[in-house]
Amino acid sequence: SQQGEEDPQALSIQEGENATMNCSYKTSINNLQWYRQNSGRGLVHLILIRSNEREKHSGRLRVTLDTSKKSSSLLITASRAADTASYFCATVLTSGTYKYIFGTGTRLKVLA
Amino acid sequence: SAVISQKPSRDICQRGTSLTIQCQVDSQVTMMFWYRQQPGQSLTLIATANQGSEATYESGFVIDKFPISRPNLTFSTLTVSNMSPEDSSIYLCSVDRQGNEQFFGPGTRLTVL
Repeated sequence: SQQGEEDPQALSIQEGENATMNCSYKTSINNLQWYRQNSGRGLVHLILIRSNEREKHSGRLRVTLDTSKKSSSLLITASRAADTASYFCATVLTSGTYKYIFGTGTRLKVLA
Repeated sequence: SAVISQKPSRDICQRGTSLTIQCQVDSQVTMMFWYRQQPGQSLTLIATANQGSEATYESGFVIDKFPISRPNLTFSTLTVSNMSPEDSSIYLCSVDRQGNEQFFGPGTRLTVL
């Protein structure tokens, strides 16, 4: 399977703490994106990092990418109860048409 | 950005029947994607639908089971045929912004009894 792996599968933290989730993938990529899904609804795009970038920030989000290890991490700082959701990485393949391969996901629960 | 609606939002169906899911986009797009998300799992791409051509199906998905229509640049349907309980999933349509972002519909939650 081409699907990326994410860890941990589930994460439970207290409000105010930081949450880190990791994504590993298998093929060469054009870019890697992170998405959030609330309660089985549609996914919402959070941030994109290109294959020639190593780190990117957006508000409380920090994403890193290590193409030599084929891995990425998403850090959410100062978490809030509203951050409770599932988080998925998605790699966009370089060959042919744009094709997104989603990771297995991390279920984050932030306790108030 | 793109705003996507799906109908129905949820349905409960009997095995052996078929359900057609509609996906409407508020702007014209070349490619639309259909995903399946089984309970507690990640998204699996079913097929890519281009306007004016046959849909391209991923390994493990066939046209007889998941026929797709793409009559114009803002609309697509996915039919889940001859359903079994294993087809119980969330079905999501999406559009892509040139590999930089996908916009998703709210999903259709299907339960097959």
